[in-house]
Amino acid sequence: GAGVSQSPRYKVTKRGQDVALRCDPISGHVSLYWYRQALGQGPEFLTYFNYEAQQDKSGLPNDRFSAERPEGSISTLTIQRTEQRDSAMYRCASSLSPGILAGAGNEQFFGPGTRLTVL
Amino acid sequence: AQKVTQAQTEISVVEKEDVTLDCVYETRDTTYYLFWYKQPPSGELVFLIRRNSFDEQNEISGRYSWNFQKSTSSFNFTITASQVVDSAVYFCALSEVVVRGGADGLTFGKGTHLIIQP
Repeated sequence: GAGVSQSPRYKVTKRGQDVALRCDPISGHVSLYWYRQALGQGPEFLTYFNYEAQQDKSGLPNDRFSAERPEGSISTLTIQRTEQRDSAMYRCASSLSPGILAGAGNEQFFGPGTRLTVL
Repeated sequence: AQKVTQAQTEISVVEKEDVTLDCVYETRDTTYYLFWYKQPPSGELVFLIRRNSFDEQNEISGRYSWNFQKSTSSFNFTITASQVVDSAVYFCALSEVVVRGGADGLTFGKGTHLIIQP
């Protein structure tokens, strides 16, 4: 596609439910990143992939959060047993080349985000 | 640990004035990249510029210019002759070079909300 797409754009769920957020990166982009942005704050890095390999998940808040990218394209961020503090904008970004090869810094293009509200 | 500080929470100027957004960063690495992103009221994050730590040349793109000074760990952003359409939240971000497959994510500042009044 022309840009990074995310679905759903809005998700309202009840505390304790599981949610799955989807990211479709720009075609051909090798690296995919997940961020979380609270209201009035800058995005906070969660995890990223080069191809299908998850490179670092140290930014994930706890073990209720997981992400996968099984075929090196679309990625899913899953939050189990959601809590009210999980409410935020979840953003996905992609970049053309793996940072480890090209040097970190290939610009990341962001999707529109998924606004998650946990009641 | 890396850190980005944008001390100006909100700036309000009248259209056509020049305005500078400050960004100060902290990193232990000698090789890193700095970025600016724009977040308009519609909410998307728009890439503006990337600068690597070895290139201290200032850059100008139309009404936008960036001043990178390693000596003061700053990467400031100036908008000349501001326009109402420049109203947005602007984020400065830092990325350290991956050596052994470590985190390559961006560390963002808290953002500066720029308001351009007509």
